[in-house]
Amino acid sequence: AQSVTQLGSHVSVSEGALVLLRCNYSSSVPPYLFWYVQYPNQGLQLLLKYTSAATLVKGINGFEAEFKKSETSFHLTKPSAHMSDAAEYFCAVTAPEGAQKLVFGQGTRLTINP
Amino acid sequence: KAGVTQTPRYLIKTRGQQVTLSCSPISGHRSVSWYQQTPGQGLQFLFEYFSETQRNKGNFPGRFSGRQFSNSRSEMNVSTLELGDSALYLCASSWGRSSYNSPLHFGNGTRLTVT
Repeated sequence: AQSVTQLGSHVSVSEGALVLLRCNYSSSVPPYLFWYVQYPNQGLQLLLKYTSAATLVKGINGFEAEFKKSETSFHLTKPSAHMSDAAEYFCAVTAPEGAQKLVFGQGTRLTINP
Repeated sequence: KAGVTQTPRYLIKTRGQQVTLSCSPISGHRSVSWYQQTPGQGLQFLFEYFSETQRNKGNFPGRFSGRQFSNSRSEMNVSTLELGDSALYLCASSWGRSSYNSPLHFGNGTRLTVT
């Protein structure tokens, strides 16, 4: 069964600093991985997805994530944080066969300090 | 193109009552999934419908049920409400049957409070 662990329920960075949100997955088959963002009082919005075409995936709003099979990781990064990046971020995994559902991590709340 | 629409946005119910939540997917999307979001449990999968058929179900009691109509609109129902059912209920739609090759598009959710 697939599972996702997000390290750090809260991350705080200064405006302009590097953003690094950590995600490790567990899957018995090659996974499909996603990052979603949730702004206050809103649903989730897809940031990016990994589907084995390329290990470095670029998403919206300047975010990118790198799939590392040896580390079973899919960390999300952004070179320079902006105040508007403050939100909750969710890593999710699904297998290409079998389960037709997303399994989400517990989420990481990102705070940007001015 | 309009996004996923969930109604109502907020609901307050009393223990023991039942509630029905509605979701209108993006036009052309045939798959609808429901998730429960709580501070303690995070996002948990409830069920997925495709072409009016339930394709997958999460680990929730039978009090939670859903259905999908021929126009892809979906409803979920919770009977005999408990305090622990207080949560944000999110609906998501996708074009294809499988969420991995057809990313989910989420609505803004219905916040249910049970008193």
